[in-house]
Amino acid sequence: EPEVTQTPSHQVTQMGQEVILRCVPISNHLYFYWYRQILGQKVEFLVSFYNNEISEKSEIFDDQFSVERPDGSNFTLKIRSTKLEDSAMYFCASSGGSQREGKQYFGPGTRLTVT
Amino acid sequence: GIQVEQSPPDLILQEGANSTLRCNFSDSVNNLQWFHQNPWGQLINLFYIPSGTKQNGRLSATTVATERYSLLYISSSQTTDSGVYFCAAYDYKLSFGAGTTVTVRA
Repeated sequence: EPEVTQTPSHQVTQMGQEVILRCVPISNHLYFYWYRQILGQKVEFLVSFYNNEISEKSEIFDDQFSVERPDGSNFTLKIRSTKLEDSAMYFCASSGGSQREGKQYFGPGTRLTVT
Repeated sequence: GIQVEQSPPDLILQEGANSTLRCNFSDSVNNLQWFHQNPWGQLINLFYIPSGTKQNGRLSATTVATERYSLLYISSSQTTDSGVYFCAAYDYKLSFGAGTTVTVRA
C-alpha cells in the first residue's frame, strides 16, 4: 500500500522557537491534511489543503500556524513561535481522486516536544 | 461539526476472546474509517467503510449509514491487538472519536 512519510519522527524545541514539520504525501493525491494529537487525547483536525490553498481550518490553526506545498512533493506545517501546549503528535494525511471524502492515508507522525 | 462517540471506552479481553467496538456519529457521512493506534503512536488504517461490511483477517467492520453507526469486530483476539482503536467520520474533515482502549491479556 502507498505510504505518507513524515520527518522528523521526533523534534524537541524550546518555547518560542520556530519549527517546520515535513510530509511527503502519496504522489498522485490532491488533498492534504494536518492533524494533531495531544498525549492521551483524541486526534484533532488542524487544516486541509487543496489546489495550493487552505480549504478548511480549525480554531486551533491560528496565526502561529502556516502550511505550504513548496514543490510537487512536500507539504509542510510551520509553527512560528512554539508554546508548551503545542507539544503533541502531528499527523499528515493525504487523499486522492475526485472525491474529497475519499480514504485518508496517514503518515507515522512527528512527535513535537516543546520545553 | 459531526460528533463521533465510541463505546466502550475501555475493554479488557482474554486472549482468544471476541469483541465488538461501537462508533456512533451524529450526521450522515460519506467516509468512515477505523484506525488502530500502535504503541509507537502510529495510526494504522484498518478499514475505509462508509457503508456495508468488510473483513480483513480476524477483523471485520460494518457501517449502517442510515442508522449512523459502525461496528468493529475483533475475533480470536491476540495480545498484538492491544492498543487504542479510533473511528473517524468525514464531513469536511475527519472527526475522531475518543477511542476504545483494548487490552488483551495472555
